[in-house]
Formats: sequence, structure tokens, C-alpha cells
Amino acid sequence: KAGVTQTPRYLIKTRGQQVTLSCSPISGHRSVSWYQQTPGQGLQFLFEYFSETQRNKGNFPGRFSGRQFSNSRSEMNVSTLELGDSALYLCASSLEVGGRQFSKRFFGPGTRLTVL
Amino acid sequence: KQEVTQIPAALSVPEGENLVLNCSFTDSAIYNLQWFRQDPGKGLTSLLLIQSSQREQTSGRLNASLDKSSGRSTLYIAASQPGDSATYLCAVLQGAQKLVFGQGTRLTINP
Repeated sequence: KAGVTQTPRYLIKTRGQQVTLSCSPISGHRSVSWYQQTPGQGLQFLFEYFSETQRNKGNFPGRFSGRQFSNSRSEMNVSTLELGDSALYLCASSLEVGGRQFSKRFFGPGTRLTVL
Repeated sequence: KQEVTQIPAALSVPEGENLVLNCSFTDSAIYNLQWFRQDPGKGLTSLLLIQSSQREQTSGRLNASLDKSSGRSTLYIAASQPGDSATYLCAVLQGAQKLVFGQGTRLTINP
């Protein structure tokens, strides 16, 4: 079974631009969550989607948004990029059999975003 | 607010040693705790998941324990190998469906 895939793997943008990152979950997984990883802040939760609905959102500004499609693929968008948005963006998918609390998260390889 | 702490931040041991990585959390109202490894520049690989009702989980040379009442988990690695070198992260899952991560322990196994 294929794992979580993320595209693109690397991205270089300049301040003020916007960017869209894509995540394809493991087949059959309906929950997708996004995390930002930086050396200073570590891994921080961005948002989580289930069946095309955002279930939870972290403490990030409104410039960060996301969506999920009917095939469970998810995208996140960052508008008006700032230097501090440079990070590794990771998405994770989970199956949620037997209730949320039993669900192991499987992570993709991440998208490395550099903002110049 | 949940806070997850991992000690030590870095650890270097010779090959073959058994070692323990520590993780503590401030709020015991968790659904589960998951241990991951991360190789430089890569994503996270899930190692073990312990449900809140469980005390431990084992996979090969890895054993993870959970003491929810004291807010602690340990990851035991037996007979360490150079390929075990990576950053190890623990994360707790709370009701809001988000994982709260520790800052990780960077492990180096010296041949």
C-alpha cells in the first residue's frame, strides 16, 4: 500500500507570494492533518480535515488555509508569504477505525518551503 | 495547555548499548501517545502507539511504556545499532484531534 505522498517536495518562494501544497493520504484514510516544523518551534498543528470538513484548527493566522476533496486528498494554502513561513510542512493521514483515539498517524515526507 | 517535554535533548552512546528515552506531559487527559523517528530532512516514521488504557507496547527491539497518572512515557531501545541514529519524537493525542509533540531527542549510535 502506498504511503502518504506530498507534492512538491521542495519549494522556493519570495515574500508576498502565495503557495499551495498537496497531500494524498493512504488509500482509505479519511482524516488528514497538517503540521509545520521549524527548528525554533518544533512541530506545530495547523489543521485537520475529515470527510471534507475542517474539524480542528491550530493557532496560525488566517493566511494559512486548507481544504479536503471528496477523494480525501488535501491542500493547504499560505497567502502573503513571510520569511517566518519557511519550514517543513508535514501532512499525516489516519484511518480512524474504532474511534478517533485508536488511530495511528502516518506522515508523509514533507514539503520544504523556503521563503526568500 | 498540554506541554510535552523530552529529556535528554541529545544522546550519544556506543553501539550495542540498551538505552531509554524519556517523554513527559502535563495533562493526563490524552487518548494515546505515539513515538516517531525522524531522519534528517525527512518525514516522521511511526514506531509505536500506546492507547491511554494500555501500559506498554513492543515492536522488535523497541518497547514503549506509558504511565498516564504520572504523565510519563519511556522508549526503550535494546542492543542499539548505528541505523537507530535519528531524532525520536513523542506526541500525545488529545480530544481536539491534534498531536502535541515534544522537541525530540537526537540520538547518535557510535560504531
